[in-house]
Amino acid sequence: GAVVSQHPSRVICKSGTSVKIECRSLDFQATTMFWYRQFPKQSLMLMATSNEGSKATYEQGVEKDKFLINHASLTLSTLTVTSAHPEDSSFYICSAVAGDNEQFFGPGTRLTVL
Amino acid sequence: KQEVTQIPAALSVPEGENLVLNCSFTDSAIYNLQWFRQDPGKGLTSLLLIQSSQREQTSGRLNASLDKSSGRSTLYIAASQPGDSATYLCASTKAAGNKLTFGGGTRVLVKP
Repeated sequence: GAVVSQHPSRVICKSGTSVKIECRSLDFQATTMFWYRQFPKQSLMLMATSNEGSKATYEQGVEKDKFLINHASLTLSTLTVTSAHPEDSSFYICSAVAGDNEQFFGPGTRLTVL
Repeated sequence: KQEVTQIPAALSVPEGENLVLNCSFTDSAIYNLQWFRQDPGKGLTSLLLIQSSQREQTSGRLNASLDKSSGRSTLYIAASQPGDSATYLCASTKAAGNKLTFGGGTRVLVKP
């Protein structure tokens, strides 16, 4: 299957700082990528849809100014958690849509805000 | 609004037994349905993708069926192994490039 990478895999930061997470499709181009967060022992919660060359579409209840998404190329989307606080600590996962509409997921990024 | 349900939430079987995982959805107008596997602390691994026009897909010991009229998909894993222990998620999408709607997952434990 196609490969999606995320960087970093784990990040620890102080409260008030901003953290950028990258999602890359390594062997295919993805017009659409998705960002999820997952709390322990729960299913994935969709945060936003990232479309190359246009503004992201955020799910209800997700603050767009808090979670900035940039999909600048067909292989890269970034999620920036601005002014992070301990409640933002979570597992963030991205996915990318391949040509046959199959979605492939990255390995996830564990964010811990102290 | 599409709702996807997976029952049971957890399943424990002895090694060698066949696994049957159920997924039901309320809106039959799906574009495709995917089955994923998630290991603790990891991302999701795509197992099988079934297009709306297909009835089943097979890959090795895995077989997934789709019955849109009844709103059901079933994932069969033959001759289970301890390495099959993971959480299995099904998800559907209603159009190309659209977001996935996930079930809550079934946590599987295969005992040696």
